[in-house]
Amino acid sequence: QKEVEQNSGPLSVPEGAIASLNCTYSDRGSQSFFWYRQYSGKSPELIMSIYSNGDQEDGRFTAQLNKASQYVSLLIRDSQPSDSATYLCAVRSTTSGTYKYIFGTGTRLKVLA
Amino acid sequence: DAGVIQSPRHEVTEMGQEVTLRCKPISGHNSLFWYRQTMMRGLELLIYFNNNVPIDDSGMPEDRFSAKMPNASFSTLKIQPSEPRDSAVYFCASSRTGNYGYTFGSGTRLTVV
Repeated sequence: QKEVEQNSGPLSVPEGAIASLNCTYSDRGSQSFFWYRQYSGKSPELIMSIYSNGDQEDGRFTAQLNKASQYVSLLIRDSQPSDSATYLCAVRSTTSGTYKYIFGTGTRLKVLA
Repeated sequence: DAGVIQSPRHEVTEMGQEVTLRCKPISGHNSLFWYRQTMMRGLELLIYFNNNVPIDDSGMPEDRFSAKMPNASFSTLKIQPSEPRDSAVYFCASSRTGNYGYTFGSGTRLTVV
């Protein structure tokens, strides 16, 4: 089992809709969770972080964490064509006791105008 | 803040040649990470430094790869000899120690022919 799993997509949503991106992780002791956005040919860019169960909102973005289910999600409201990118989930691994993060392989989102 | 600076942006080299990638982290960030990204394997952590000291190099693929961080503002990743399967985008990222997300550099696209 991969440590951090994401559906590779592509996930296609119409403009204005809610895009829902999901991520599961295997390390039950994981404490920190991040979402990065990566446009084609560019570097990953941090967009959200979440540390406790529940929702964390920032503008059109909402991160949701459920540690019991080992599940973290990202909702993008009012999706825009400019949101079309690959979204990477990152989880801080506690097994090594260090601050390294394990990345999922990403979900490609396509917002259709 | 200039962000994380990597050089070169692109590198094309012949198999067997030595390749050196360079990274300048954000001032004040004391953790530095080297990642490799390919379509097949996604983002893979190669090595992680904290306060200029290598903490975890378990991701370095083999002895052909080496990394140094002689001071807080500079790191190198060297591949000697290079092989076609090393072709990838290599990212450097930095952060403050703790539960902080990374800031990535623009990456170096390496092609070994």
